[in-house]
Amino acid sequence: SQTIHQWPATLVQPVGSPLSLECTVEGTSNPNLYWYRQAAGRGLQLLFYSVGIGQISSEVPQNLSASRPQDRQFILSSKKLLLSDSGFYLCAWGAGMNTEAFFGQGTRLTVV
Amino acid sequence: SQQGEEDPQALSIQEGENATMNCSYKTSINNLQWYRQNSGRGLVHLILIRSNEREKHSGRLRVTLDTSKKSSSLLITASRAADTASYFCALNQAGTALIFGKGTTLSVSS
Repeated sequence: SQTIHQWPATLVQPVGSPLSLECTVEGTSNPNLYWYRQAAGRGLQLLFYSVGIGQISSEVPQNLSASRPQDRQFILSSKKLLLSDSGFYLCAWGAGMNTEAFFGQGTRLTVV
Repeated sequence: SQQGEEDPQALSIQEGENATMNCSYKTSINNLQWYRQNSGRGLVHLILIRSNEREKHSGRLRVTLDTSKKSSSLLITASRAADTASYFCALNQAGTALIFGKGTTLSVSS
């Protein structure tokens, strides 16, 4: 069966520090991978998605970036965090663009 | 790309009652999906309904889709306290990833 791992679960980082969140999927190959952000009490904002290694689509211009160095690995990064980067970050995978998405447990990031 | 808009934003009911949530949208879709999120957790997929389908059932869940009105509804019958969560509709449109609405927060009291 397929599983998705996302870590860490919580993270407190100072303003201006770098960020690296990692997400891996097991039990499937060539998945579509997604990063979403959820502000407190709000809906999900699509940040990045990838349909293959090295293929990244950015939905929102900001100081975040994403990379997909391996088929089942998706990394969200920032060189310098802003206070506004605080939120709940969710990684997800899907078999295709028209299928359901399966989410990780999320990372709660607080920038202080 | 447009997101769906859920209505109501919040809903409080008693155990045993039915809960209905609505989602309206403005664009053409391939399918519409409903997800559930327990507080502080990831989302769980509930139902996917394709644009050529009108109704789908899964256990106590019933989803309808009216593409002429660009709206969908999620009905949870005989609600339980464990159904307390946020519910999101997500639009699947050509060429992009799922776009989520802001959700409906359901509170079921015993």
